[in-house]
Amino acid sequence: DTAVSQTPKYLVTQMGNDKSIKCEQNLGHDTMYWYKQDSKKFLKIMFSYNNKELIINETVPNRFSPKSPDKAHLNLHINSLELGDSAVYFCASTLNSRPDTQYFGPGTRLTVL
Amino acid sequence: RKEVEQDPGPFNVPEGATVAFNCTYSNSASQSFFWYRQDCRKEPKLLMSVYSSGNEDGRFTAQLNRASQYISLLIRDSKLSDSATYLCVVNNGNDMRFGAGTRLTVKP
Repeated sequence: DTAVSQTPKYLVTQMGNDKSIKCEQNLGHDTMYWYKQDSKKFLKIMFSYNNKELIINETVPNRFSPKSPDKAHLNLHINSLELGDSAVYFCASTLNSRPDTQYFGPGTRLTVL
Repeated sequence: RKEVEQDPGPFNVPEGATVAFNCTYSNSASQSFFWYRQDCRKEPKLLMSVYSSGNEDGRFTAQLNRASQYISLLIRDSKLSDSATYLCVVNNGNDMRFGAGTRLTVKP
């Protein structure tokens, strides 16, 4: 009964590969996010979706493509992985009525070799 | 200049100590402010919101100074379980901006 879940938890892959990370929330929240936390521990927003609609699209390479099949899911597909993509990727969600309180998933640790 | 700046630490303190963390933010139009806690290899979790009037939650006190664009967190009577990274977070109206965090280790 995890509130925000992500799969996989760990992902080790070679440069140039394409991979996806999945996120699901069972909280009934309206908005979902993807964050990247690099080795310097900065947590930086990448994308935000509200009711399946893209709201925030920070300056990230277009190799990153989010997809929201429904309000409870937000997946992240990454093409042509690069070494610099190695990081922990966190999914989060919020209610529209309480946008400040973010519930984070456990994170996906991506290592690109 | 980073949008949210924090002293990265680490702060190493003995149990029972009082420790204070500071944070500054650059966007004067920022609307709301928070402290999140992140344990090693875990996700961030909301610790407390920060209000101009100051707010307290048990051993934790948060303060906001809008004029100076400065946020603080005070932890009294530190416990071993307080060891974590504390993230200063600012909502600028569009999204949340996170500081890099201040690492705290409480030692026996």
